[in-house]
Amino acid sequence: RKEVEQDPGPFNVPEGATVAFNCTYSNSASQSFFWYRQDCRKEPKLLMSVYSSGNEDGRFTAQLNRASQYISLLIRDSKLSDSATYLCVVEKGFQKLVFGTGTRLLVSP
Amino acid sequence: DGGITQSPKYLFRKEGQNVTLSCEQNLNHDAMYWYRQDPGQGLRLIYYSQIVNDFQKGDIAEGYSVSREKKESFPLTVTSAQKNPTAFYLCASSTRAQDGYTFGSGTRLTVV
Repeated sequence: RKEVEQDPGPFNVPEGATVAFNCTYSNSASQSFFWYRQDCRKEPKLLMSVYSSGNEDGRFTAQLNRASQYISLLIRDSKLSDSATYLCVVEKGFQKLVFGTGTRLLVSP
Repeated sequence: DGGITQSPKYLFRKEGQNVTLSCEQNLNHDAMYWYRQDPGQGLRLIYYSQIVNDFQKGDIAEGYSVSREKKESFPLTVTSAQKNPTAFYLCASSTRAQDGYTFGSGTRLTVV
């Protein structure tokens, strides 16, 4: 089993749609979780951390379900500029993070 | 402004050559990391360093070497022993993993 698993997509949605991505992780001892955004041929950039209580940043909401070991990202009112690959990231101990292969989102006019 | 600088942005290597990729940060981060990304794949950890003069192998260290003589610098050498070096190389740094990583803009290495 992969340490972090994501649906590669692509998710094709129209502008204004709501879209959700899930990610599962294998290490039940993991304590820190993140969503990163990566544009084509660019470096990943931190989108948001994911907390047990759930957290929201504008149109983006992240949730963590420790019992089922999955993380979700909800994007409301999608914009063309949201088109990117979204990486699920999980801490694996010893100050190391494990990156999922990413879910590609395409927002169309 | 603080950040991580990787150079060069593009690098071409001939068969049998060693090349060194530069990574410099002025964020005062203790930990630094090197990842490799292949098309359509996730990031794979090559080497990491949590403190000056110490570094550890990651998941795919064979054919690579690093040094950490200064807190700000963590160069990666791709040796001729690395059979498939063509990839996008990303350097990152952090204070703690719980805070996430900050990435440099990457070096795209191509074997010609």
